[in-house]
Amino acid sequence: NAGVTQTPKFRVLKTGQSMTLLCAQDMNHEYMYWYRQDPGMGLRLIHYSVGEGTTAKGEVPDGYNVSRLKKQNFLLGLESAAPSQTSVYFCASSQITEQYFGPGTRLTVT
Amino acid sequence: AQTVTQSQPEMSVQEAETVTLSCTYDTSESDYYLFWYKQPPSRQMILVIRQEAYKQQNATENRFSVNFQKAAKSFSLKISDSQLGDAAMYFCAYGNKLVFGAGTILRVKS
Repeated sequence: NAGVTQTPKFRVLKTGQSMTLLCAQDMNHEYMYWYRQDPGMGLRLIHYSVGEGTTAKGEVPDGYNVSRLKKQNFLLGLESAAPSQTSVYFCASSQITEQYFGPGTRLTVT
Repeated sequence: AQTVTQSQPEMSVQEAETVTLSCTYDTSESDYYLFWYKQPPSRQMILVIRQEAYKQQNATENRFSVNFQKAAKSFSLKISDSQLGDAAMYFCAYGNKLVFGAGTILRVKS
């Protein structure tokens, strides 16, 4: 039982490049979330999903897209990376209330 | 929109002593959840304790307890018998789609 895993753990992008972050959970949770964490701040919700095939915007959705084609996976895409998207990205999943977090992905955009 | 405020950017405690971390929040909802998460240098988000708003009894998990004051919208975390391993960033968070405070760095002195 791996819990929540994130791929990759680190990535460096140049401005304008695209990439996809993969989140996978093996707990059969309905809800999945993507957050970003910037220095001196708590985590902020980017997008979330309440079930397979559904997605919704969170607090800071601009510049990101997501997809939930399979219940266990939640993908976060950056179509044209910007330096302002340099951050640590966390994925989480939950069934009712308690969220279980992945280890995070550190993304640097130069 | 809900907001969470942690007014203490940094706290220090002597090993074996007790420390209290403050958190206030703003919401118009009557039923909700509140959480304290710990983030050590490894970056992993670890749930410390949670409180359901409809429960008047304060939650307790071993050395960790909360003082939940619903009318005052206050949710403080008390750590008793502090240990070196308690040193971390602590985040207060509200709701199902978590809204986080900015965090409090806790340093434990030996």
